Amino acid sequence: DGGITQSPKYLFRKEGQNVTLSCEQNLNHDAMYWYRQDPGQGLRLIYYSQIVNDFQKGDIAEGYSVSREKKESFPLTVTSAQKNPTAFYLCASSINQGSYEQYFGPGTRLTVT
Amino acid sequence: DQQVKQNSPSLSVQEGRISILNCDYTNSMFDYFLWYKKYPAEGPTFLISISSIKDKNEDGRFTVFLNKSAKHLSLHIVPSQPGDSAVYFCAASLGSNYQLIWGAGTKLIIKP
Repeated sequence: DGGITQSPKYLFRKEGQNVTLSCEQNLNHDAMYWYRQDPGQGLRLIYYSQIVNDFQKGDIAEGYSVSREKKESFPLTVTSAQKNPTAFYLCASSINQGSYEQYFGPGTRLTVT
Repeated sequence: DQQVKQNSPSLSVQEGRISILNCDYTNSMFDYFLWYKKYPAEGPTFLISISSIKDKNEDGRFTVFLNKSAKHLSLHIVPSQPGDSAVYFCAASLGSNYQLIWGAGTKLIIKP
C-alpha cells in the first residue's frame, strides 16, 4: 500500500524544547511539503522540497527547519524559536514540482505547553 | 491577505439534495484550482480540479464550475450522501511555482 505516514499522531512538548515530526512516503514522489493548519484557517506552507538535498522556505518558515537526505523522508523540526507551535501539521507529496495534485499524510497534532 | 476565500464556515444539506460549496479568489493569475475533502483527524484527499481555461469539470456526482470574470468557483455535489459530510477545501495554484494557496474550508453536514 503506497502512501504517506506521519508519526506520531499526537505529540506533547514543553515550551522551549525542539521537536521533530516524521514524514515518510513510499510513492516515489520527488516533491514533498509541510503545511500547518490552525482553526478557521487554510493550510499554510512551511517548507517544500523538490528533490533530495534541496528545500525552500514557504510562507511561514520562521521557527522551523527541515532536511531531505532521502527521497522518502522529509522530517520537520519545530524549534523553540517558533512563537505559536501548537497546531495540526500536515505532510504532503506530489509526483514532482510540476504536479498540482498533492497527497497528504494523516497529520500530527502538536501541543506545546 | 487571503487570496482564496471560502466565506461559509459550514453548510447543512438534506441527504439526496444538491450541495453547493463556494470559493472566491482575488489573484487573476491563478491558473489551476483544486477541491480537497478532509475527514476529522485525517489529511485532505484530492477530489476534483479545473484548469483556468475551462469553465466546468465533472466527475461522477461532483462538478466544479469556474467563473473567471467573477473570480469564483463552486463545487456541486449531486445527490448528497451521508459520506460527503466532511470539510471541503478550495486551493489555487500559480503556474510559476505550483504552490497551492488554500481557503479556510467549509464544513459540509449532510442530514439524513
